[in-house]
Amino acid sequence: DAGVIQSPRHEVTEMGQEVTLRCKPISGHDYLFWYRQTMMQGLELLVYFNNKAVMDDSGMPKDRFSAKMPNASFSTLKIQPSEPRDSAVYFCASSLVGYNSPLHFGNGTRLTVT
Amino acid sequence: DQQVKQNSPSLSVQEGRISILNCDYTNSMFDYFLWYKKYPAEGPTFLISISSIKDKNEDGRFTVFLNKSAKHLSLHIVPSQPGDSAVYFCAATPGAGSYQLTFGKGTKLSVIP
Repeated sequence: DAGVIQSPRHEVTEMGQEVTLRCKPISGHDYLFWYRQTMMQGLELLVYFNNKAVMDDSGMPKDRFSAKMPNASFSTLKIQPSEPRDSAVYFCASSLVGYNSPLHFGNGTRLTVT
Repeated sequence: DQQVKQNSPSLSVQEGRISILNCDYTNSMFDYFLWYKKYPAEGPTFLISISSIKDKNEDGRFTVFLNKSAKHLSLHIVPSQPGDSAVYFCAATPGAGSYQLTFGKGTKLSVIP
């Protein structure tokens, strides 16, 4: 099992540019989550999917962020336009069915917006 | 409004001694609690969990205690090892089908050889 795979590991971009973060969940996991980690806020849930459908995106700034899951093995988180305050580590996680199933996290994408 | 609080940003412990990491929560709807461990440049990994119907759960060197009346939980690591040095996150969920995990900001544990 390769675990949750995220790409890229690091992304440096200029303010106003579009950024796309990618995630491949663990095969067979029905739930996929995008989290953001900052020093100030800690780990915050942005959005999560169940069987490719968005279940809750209340944590996501919708004016500039969009999340998609076109198939069971791939998800993207897009930021357009990016701003310096978006600088953070973005984690993707997946889990099996069941609210008490532990999340399996990827190694994250460190985003720096200058 | 932080619903899950880890008031100690860091903790240093001698190898072989007990490490106690604490976590407080304010939301009385939380009924399932988890601890995650994170090494630098890696994602958090699940460590241990506890349901609100229990007050203790043990897994090897790791034990989690839950005090519902005080809205407090703690993670005990005995004996502590240098490889335990990491950031530990407490997390909670209302359960009942909710996937809304709320995380604390973490405690960095350093185990000194």
